[in-house]
Amino acid sequence: LAKTTQPISMDSYEGQEVNITCSHNNIATNDYITWYQQFPSQGPRFIIQGYKTKVTNEVASLFIPADRKSSTLSLPRVSLSDTAVYYCLVGGTSGTYKYIFGTGTRLKVLA
Amino acid sequence: ETGVTQTPRHLVMGMTNKKSLKCEQHLGHNAMYWYKQSAKKPLELMFVYSLEERVENNSVPSRFSPECPNSSHLFLHLHTLQPEDSALYLCASSQDRLTRLDTQYFGPGTRLTVL
Repeated sequence: LAKTTQPISMDSYEGQEVNITCSHNNIATNDYITWYQQFPSQGPRFIIQGYKTKVTNEVASLFIPADRKSSTLSLPRVSLSDTAVYYCLVGGTSGTYKYIFGTGTRLKVLA
Repeated sequence: ETGVTQTPRHLVMGMTNKKSLKCEQHLGHNAMYWYKQSAKKPLELMFVYSLEERVENNSVPSRFSPECPNSSHLFLHLHTLQPEDSALYLCASSQDRLTRLDTQYFGPGTRLTVL
């Protein structure tokens, strides 16, 4: 899988929009970009997945530029309950099972 | 609720004990995974099963022994563990479509403490 690089931590305030960027310079043609959220002492939870341009769901948006070497997870109007670790994964080659979560980005939302 | 359950949620064991962790998925998925997450470290993939066949073993010590009797159940048998094996053990499942990065559904984990 392509190696990913994310900021180690970020702080934000309630009600703000938060953008977390992930770099993946070696992304392959068939790779998708997936983001997970993990609260303390829980398993990660799927947030969003995309291949190119923009994907939006009820939780977040994912922006992927044309070269696909990076992606940005956007969380609109965060609340205290969005405090968690966010992981960016890149992959999708048929038959691979090596899911590398990396260290993720620890987001802290302040009141 | 993700459709993946794990028992027990907490386990304390001595280094000479033998115990087992259980995972069950109610999602009709074909692939199941064991991960280890130590304090302040990334998730480490341990084992992957696809249709009850082990397809990935990430150099895990033999004191960890997985078992997948069917596509809905996954066990992790533990024996003669070390204190450094204390961690959160997470089970996950996915459809196993093999054509894109499967979305994984995680259980709540088992917090293991080895004394």
